[in-house]
Amino acid sequence: GEEVAQTPKHLVRGEGQKAKLYCAPIKGHSYVFWYQQVLKNEFKFLISFQNENVFDETGMPKERFSAKCLPNSPCSLEIQATKLEDSAVYFCASSQSVPGEYGYTFGSGTRLTVV
Amino acid sequence: GQQVMQIPQYQHVQEGEDFTTYCNSSTTLSNIQWYKQRPGGHPVFLIQLVKSGEVKKQKRLTFQFGEAKKNSSLHITATQTTDVGTYFCAGHRDYKLSFGAGTTVTVRA
Repeated sequence: GEEVAQTPKHLVRGEGQKAKLYCAPIKGHSYVFWYQQVLKNEFKFLISFQNENVFDETGMPKERFSAKCLPNSPCSLEIQATKLEDSAVYFCASSQSVPGEYGYTFGSGTRLTVV
Repeated sequence: GQQVMQIPQYQHVQEGEDFTTYCNSSTTLSNIQWYKQRPGGHPVFLIQLVKSGEVKKQKRLTFQFGEAKKNSSLHITATQTTDVGTYFCAGHRDYKLSFGAGTTVTVRA
């Protein structure tokens, strides 16, 4: 399809619980990116993939965050033992190339609320 | 690390007026992209600038990339209510896209 599909739209977790977010990139896009957007609009880069390989993971808090992009499956971002500060909107984006002349196509995001 | 600064943070505009948002990077960029995010929505790609001094126009929007490829601006003329949202610049360097903090635009009818 021509859109990046993110599920679920909303996720509520108690502190310490696990959260798993999914992203289906646009068919034919080789690159997938995860960003975290917190209250004041700030976008924090988390991780990127080129197909199923990690391309850049310099933004990932590795102790609790992990991500995968496996063939024939949606990409996923998992947070073990969520903390209050993980509350944010998590956006997935995909692109044909990097840097891509058509920019990144973003999904609608998953709003994670940790209570 | 790479930092992209964007000002102003907020822009309150009378309908019909013009405004400009500015973006400045601490390092030279490969290219700069601009996105628009409506309230409650997701970022939507507007344009990419690659060449030093490049200027591109999309209807009432004019995008400019500085000669040193470290700064950029977005100028909107004759603002309309449909221009409401947050405009982000994003600088590309070393295969990583770093976003500015955005300029949130509200329009007074």
